[in-house]
Amino acid sequence: KAGVTQTPRYLIKTRGQQVTLSCSPISGHRSVSWYQQTPGQGLQFLFEYFSETQRNKGNFPGRFSGRQFSNSRSEMNVSTLELGDSALYLCASSKGQGVGSYNEQFFGPGTRLTVL
Amino acid sequence: KNQVEQSPQSLIILEGKNCTLQCNYTVSPFSNLRWYKQDTGRGPVSLTIMTFSENTKSNGRYTATLDADTKQSSLHITASQLSDSASYICVVIPLTGANNLFFGTGTRLTVIP
Repeated sequence: KAGVTQTPRYLIKTRGQQVTLSCSPISGHRSVSWYQQTPGQGLQFLFEYFSETQRNKGNFPGRFSGRQFSNSRSEMNVSTLELGDSALYLCASSKGQGVGSYNEQFFGPGTRLTVL
Repeated sequence: KNQVEQSPQSLIILEGKNCTLQCNYTVSPFSNLRWYKQDTGRGPVSLTIMTFSENTKSNGRYTATLDADTKQSSLHITASQLSDSASYICVVIPLTGANNLFFGTGTRLTVIP
């Protein structure tokens, strides 16, 4: 069974640009969650989508948005990039709603975003 | 102040030895507490998930314990292997909702031959 895949794996952007990251969950999984990981702040929860609806959202500005498609694939968009957005962006999938439940989450390898 | 504190920040042990990582939290009430292993350059991998009413959960050589009275969890690794070298992250998910997952900053474990 294929794992969670994320594209692209690496990305370099400049301040002010926008970026879209993609996540394909494990087949049969309906929940996709997004996380930001930086050396200074560690892991932080961005949002979770389940059945194309945002179910939970962390404390990030509105520049961070996402969506989920009918095939459970998800995209995350960051507009007006700032230097502080440089981070590893991880997505995780689970069968049921994952974040607040007991469902195990499976993480992808992440997308390394560098903002210059 | 971070509501989930992990210690030590880093740890070096000899292959074959046991070790224990600590996670102290103030999040209350909580739904479940999770331990993840993250290899360098990879996404985290789930090791254990414990509800607030569970005391212990094992996954092979990894055993997590939970003491709700002292608000402490520990991850014990037995007979360490070189492949155990990784960061270990404790996550506490509050009962009131998942909008504020609380992550520890992790313990960096290095196993040397």
